[in-house]
Amino acid sequence: DQQVKQNSPSLSVQEGRISILNCDYTNSMFDYFLWYKKYPAEGPTFLISISSIKDKNEDGRFTVFLNKSAKHLSLHIVPSQPGDSAVYFCAASEANAGGTSYGKLTFGQGTILTVHP
Amino acid sequence: DAMVIQNPRYQVTQFGKPVTLSCSQTLNHNVMYWYQQKSSQAPKLLFHYYDKDFNNEADTPDNFQSRRPNTSFCFLDIRSPGLGDAAMYLCATSPFRYSNQPQHFGDGTRLSIL
Repeated sequence: DQQVKQNSPSLSVQEGRISILNCDYTNSMFDYFLWYKKYPAEGPTFLISISSIKDKNEDGRFTVFLNKSAKHLSLHIVPSQPGDSAVYFCAASEANAGGTSYGKLTFGQGTILTVHP
Repeated sequence: DAMVIQNPRYQVTQFGKPVTLSCSQTLNHNVMYWYQQKSSQAPKLLFHYYDKDFNNEADTPDNFQSRRPNTSFCFLDIRSPGLGDAAMYLCATSPFRYSNQPQHFGDGTRLSIL
């Protein structure tokens, strides 16, 4: 039973265009969400997060949108750069009423993003 | 630089032969996690330590054990590896048990079973 799903195994985008990576979840107890980026032969590195009390969080070229009623979040990268080519993992955790994560993460299976020059 | 270091990066063992994977951290974080990631699948949490308090996930096989002798080190022991245990094993740390600070990951150990 996969509680976090990234239904697109791969995405190919032209440099300078927008990349949109999607993630769906089924556990209504999830209240804190993160995106990690992973290069080959390296561990995942944190990219951006969002608490369920927000519907958008932005950090430079990266924006995460959360639609809690649809149990869906997306990561937008604008503009996309060749260095963004990596595997992107969506992750979720339960949180307390104040929005603090309980720490244990459930991951999606990842989307391979390729940005072509 | 403060880091999470996993050794070895690649480990080959024989079917049924015990193997130990190592993780060390210089971040002085209280929490250490072990994840298993099979090919093209999501990383799956096996267990975590909050300080010396061991927390096993309900579906982690008994074949998998862990030790944390001090804050800096954590070990993953696989008592009798089967072919299905071939995977990437990721160690991660977090400063606090309940925190919005993201987990820091090592580069992983890829385990192969002959």
